[in-house]
Amino acid sequence: GQNIDQPTEMTATEGAIVQINCTYQTSGFNGLFWYQQHAGEAPTFLSYNVLDGLEEKGRFSSFLSRSKGYSYLLLKELQMKDSASYLCALMDSNYQLIWGAGTKLIIKP
Amino acid sequence: IAGITQAPTSQILAAGRRMTLRCTQDMRHNAMYWYRQDLGLGLRLIHYSNTAGTTGKGEVPDGYSVSRANTDDFPLTLASAVPSQTSVYFCASSDGLADTGELFFGEGSRLTVL
Repeated sequence: GQNIDQPTEMTATEGAIVQINCTYQTSGFNGLFWYQQHAGEAPTFLSYNVLDGLEEKGRFSSFLSRSKGYSYLLLKELQMKDSASYLCALMDSNYQLIWGAGTKLIIKP
Repeated sequence: IAGITQAPTSQILAAGRRMTLRCTQDMRHNAMYWYRQDLGLGLRLIHYSNTAGTTGKGEVPDGYSVSRANTDDFPLTLASAVPSQTSVYFCASSDGLADTGELFFGEGSRLTVL
């Protein structure tokens, strides 16, 4: 079967760095995704990793290790607007997305 | 219209009633999806359509039906609503999920079944 785990909630300080981890088990893998969802709003795409390594996009970076079934989203220079839920999702062998429950990130001044 | 539009934004419905959630996109994307989002759970796929004229069942299809008569529209129907269908429903579309990994979501429809 398939399973995705990510922490339920994390707290960080404005200006700091935070790493949100995601671990998964799957029989078929076609990519790992991160989405951001502000409360009461729709999810929006952040990143897509299909090969091992780090993908950097401004203040956000995403890392993938397929052999370990592990990914993380790294947020630098945290801003209050980064307070949101961060959703990890994997694309299975049928090219469908399997979603984690999301990590609620609380940013404190 | 820009992107994906869902209607209604919010609805309270009596159990047993029939309800259709509407979804329209203007991006000419081939693939469209319906998800439900419940507290403490990940987004769960209800139904999908890879192209106009075709549909498929997702993870939680029971009690729901969809149609895809054209590229732009992908309505979701609850034939006889039950309280367990209380949820936030998101419609999404993509143009090559395997290539870009990007889904575009509508703003959601909050449905309460009493």
